[in-house]
Amino acid sequence: EAQVTQNPRYLITVTGKKLTVTCSQNMNHEYMSWYRQDPGLGLRQIYYSMNVEVTDKGDVPEGYKVSRKEKRNFPLILESPSPNQTSLYFCASRMTGSNQPQHFGDGTRLSIL
Amino acid sequence: KQEVTQIPAALSVPEGENLVLNCSFTDSAIYNLQWFRQDPGKGLTSLLLIQSSQREQTSGRLNASLDKSSGRSTLYIAASQPGDSATYLCAVSNSGGYQKVTFGTGTKLQVIP
Repeated sequence: EAQVTQNPRYLITVTGKKLTVTCSQNMNHEYMSWYRQDPGLGLRQIYYSMNVEVTDKGDVPEGYKVSRKEKRNFPLILESPSPNQTSLYFCASRMTGSNQPQHFGDGTRLSIL
Repeated sequence: KQEVTQIPAALSVPEGENLVLNCSFTDSAIYNLQWFRQDPGKGLTSLLLIQSSQREQTSGRLNASLDKSSGRSTLYIAASQPGDSATYLCAVSNSGGYQKVTFGTGTKLQVIP
């Protein structure tokens, strides 16, 4: 089954403790992206990747890192999480081409105390 | 910087009514525009995608239109049903080598039986 898989789905952690949210897709998509969703602010793009080793900042990249060493994986790294990074996070992927829709994972709910 | 606005923020209609959801964007240099629905506590489900060169797309009871020159897209839902109750989001991908995505904050639709 074609899908975008995020792990973990839920995480409660403490300020400053490094964490990684994984994202994997099995559709051989070139483009992958991370978003956060906050009440009243909607979904905002954190980072995106056009292909392996090609990444760029979205609108809210501060405090996050990403890497794209393999086509299928696009992990989101919080080196020193802070409470303002408490949010619902989504990973998405799509093929290259203007007629290609984004496919979203089920989301990761992150709480940083 | 691309800005995407969705009006109204919330809408309540009786079952069977036809309705229109609006999405406005400030930068007409877009790659494509995608409409999603999001159910409470869930991920995003893709509804329709309109490429920059297209004027409209249809799927079942849904029809999405795009007017780049005026920076507007509409999602038309025919014969609304209670199962259509959800938040509807539009997402604009900008054209160019790096394709950032900007979401609107959504319209929360309630269809009353």
